[in-house]
Amino acid sequence: EAAVTQSPRNKVAVTGGKVTLSCNQTNNHNNMYWYRQDTGHGLRLIHYSYGAGSTEKGDIPDGYKASRPSQENFSLILELATPSQTSVYFCASGDLTGFQDTQYFGPGTRLLVL
Amino acid sequence: TQTVSQSDAHVTVFEGDSVELRCNYSYGGSIYLSWYIQHHGHGLQFLLKYYSGNPVVQGVNGFEAEFSKSDSSFHLRKASVHWSDSAVYFCAVRESSGSWQLIFGSGTQLTVMP
Repeated sequence: EAAVTQSPRNKVAVTGGKVTLSCNQTNNHNNMYWYRQDTGHGLRLIHYSYGAGSTEKGDIPDGYKASRPSQENFSLILELATPSQTSVYFCASGDLTGFQDTQYFGPGTRLLVL
Repeated sequence: TQTVSQSDAHVTVFEGDSVELRCNYSYGGSIYLSWYIQHHGHGLQFLLKYYSGNPVVQGVNGFEAEFSKSDSSFHLRKASVHWSDSAVYFCAVRESSGSWQLIFGSGTQLTVMP
């Protein structure tokens, strides 16, 4: 079964601090994604990747960087965290085959920026 | 630009009732549609998808959805709900001929009363 894990599960950060959220997948999927989920907004795509070494901007990339050092790992980096980045962050993996892209989500990371 | 709308933020039914969760999209071309479920405190899980063929697609746990091009809809249904179906349900759309990106609706919270 698909397996996507995220760490940490909960994080409290201070404004201006650096935060790194990590994601690992054992599905051998090429594509990986970072979303944030806020009440009233559903899921919004921050960054995504087509494979190791690749990162692309999603709909709301400002204030975030991403890193994909390997097929399995995809990190989201907040260089200078702000309270507006308080949210729940989800990582997902998927394999675009034909016209289908079922995504497999991790359990989420709850981030509070004070 | 395609969009997806879930008009009902909350739906409450009793165990054993049937339920329909609505999803409407705006896009004129061929698209890929899917539904995901999110239980409280967890990531999203794939339920079902449609791209072509039979407009009624079956998913896990007795869920099905019906695609209607004339109504621009992809409503999710279940004939008899269980308390464990209580969750947030997300509809997602992706155009098949260009961007791979999934666009999620804002979600519908389904509450099943005992």
